[in-house]
Amino acid sequence: DSGVTQTPKHLITATGQRVTLRCSPRSGDLSVYWYQQSLDQGLQFLIQYYNGEERAKGNILERFSAQQFPDLHSELNLSSLELGDSALYFCASSDGGRFEQYFGPGTRLTVT
Amino acid sequence: AQSVTQPDIHITVSEGASLELRCNYSYGATPYLFWYVQSPGQGLQLLLKYFSGDTLVQGIKGFEAEFKRSQSSFNLRKPSVHWSDAAEYFCAVVSTGGGNKLTFGTGTQLKVEL
Repeated sequence: DSGVTQTPKHLITATGQRVTLRCSPRSGDLSVYWYQQSLDQGLQFLIQYYNGEERAKGNILERFSAQQFPDLHSELNLSSLELGDSALYFCASSDGGRFEQYFGPGTRLTVT
Repeated sequence: AQSVTQPDIHITVSEGASLELRCNYSYGATPYLFWYVQSPGQGLQLLLKYFSGDTLVQGIKGFEAEFKRSQSSFNLRKPSVHWSDAAEYFCAVVSTGGGNKLTFGTGTQLKVEL
């Protein structure tokens, strides 16, 4: 158990809908990262937050947004969902001064 | 831009045999390198990391990896594979410019024959 929690574990929704994925980092970790894992794209970095501020952005679609709250949990919002958004979404966290990231169990999103 | 290549998509070994999974990186400076393992339906677990210093690093579950700058490689090894090692293995490099995102290789799927 990495100490990173993600909810829900599975999510099935229809095209055009909006969903919110939630992540709680390890105790004391200030950085939260979101990654998408799909068969065709592999593991792709989406976005990083550090202590509530956006730190880095990757290949994140404009339909996707994220935020980190004062209690350091983070939410990834996916809107106007398309079939191609079906994937496993991982959250990871790290101590601000270290590079290794610890991953949650992921949320499997299925868009039908 | 940094990149990671894992040339082997699938590898099959017999239980008890030795294992080596290959990873090549492309990075201008000294890279920070990682190996993660993903079991079916699970998240990614950190096996080991290399930041600097000793080029042979030890990790969990009996794994080790050797950093070779001259070959731009960071291969993962295990002397004797157990059936429970069957999983997908990812090599990754961290980018330290503006955030610390991980860039992953495409992964190597390990099958262990009993």
